[in-house]
Amino acid sequence: NAGVMQNPRHLVRRRGQEARLRCSPMKGHSHVYWYRQLPEEGLKFMVYLQKENIIDESGMPKERFSAEFPKEGPSILRIQQVVRGDSAAYFCASSPRDIQYFGAGTRLSVL
Amino acid sequence: KNQVEQSPQSLIILEGKNCTLQCNYTVSPFSNLRWYKQDTGRGPVSLTIMTFSENTKSNGRYTATLDADTKQSSLHITASQLSDSASYICVVEGDSNYQLIWGAGTKLIIKP
Repeated sequence: NAGVMQNPRHLVRRRGQEARLRCSPMKGHSHVYWYRQLPEEGLKFMVYLQKENIIDESGMPKERFSAEFPKEGPSILRIQQVVRGDSAAYFCASSPRDIQYFGAGTRLSVL
Repeated sequence: KNQVEQSPQSLIILEGKNCTLQCNYTVSPFSNLRWYKQDTGRGPVSLTIMTFSENTKSNGRYTATLDADTKQSSLHITASQLSDSASYICVVEGDSNYQLIWGAGTKLIIKP
């Protein structure tokens, strides 16, 4: 059973471009969470999704950020018109119920 | 305001020594407290999870304690190994079953 898979591991974008981060949860897990981590800081909750539903997006900026978890395929975190302040590590976690299992993260660098 | 504070911010010890990391929280209501280990460049990995009624839990050389009255937890690492070098993060779950309040972590460095 493969762990939570995130890709790409590293993503470089110029200001104004779009960033798409993908997360494939562990087999059998229907809950997906996205977190952002700035250097030397703790993880900050962004959004919680179940298949085809956004359960809580209270931690996600209202503009430029969106997330989906379709019936088929990985969960996608999309950042439009990226700015330098979006540079961070973005972690995805999946769970069958309460324990969250984390992927290795995607490091986004905005030039 | 729900907060989780950890101390020390960083710690350097010699291989083979023991250490204790601290976590204070103000999250209320409280559901459970978790300790995660995060290696550099990797995602966090769960070490322990304790509910209100549990005051100690062990996972190998890691022992976590919880005092729900004083809202304090500690993570004790015995006979440290070089592979223990990582950030150790205290995480508290409040009244939702998914929103976790994350501490900033203690960065532990084990020197040979």
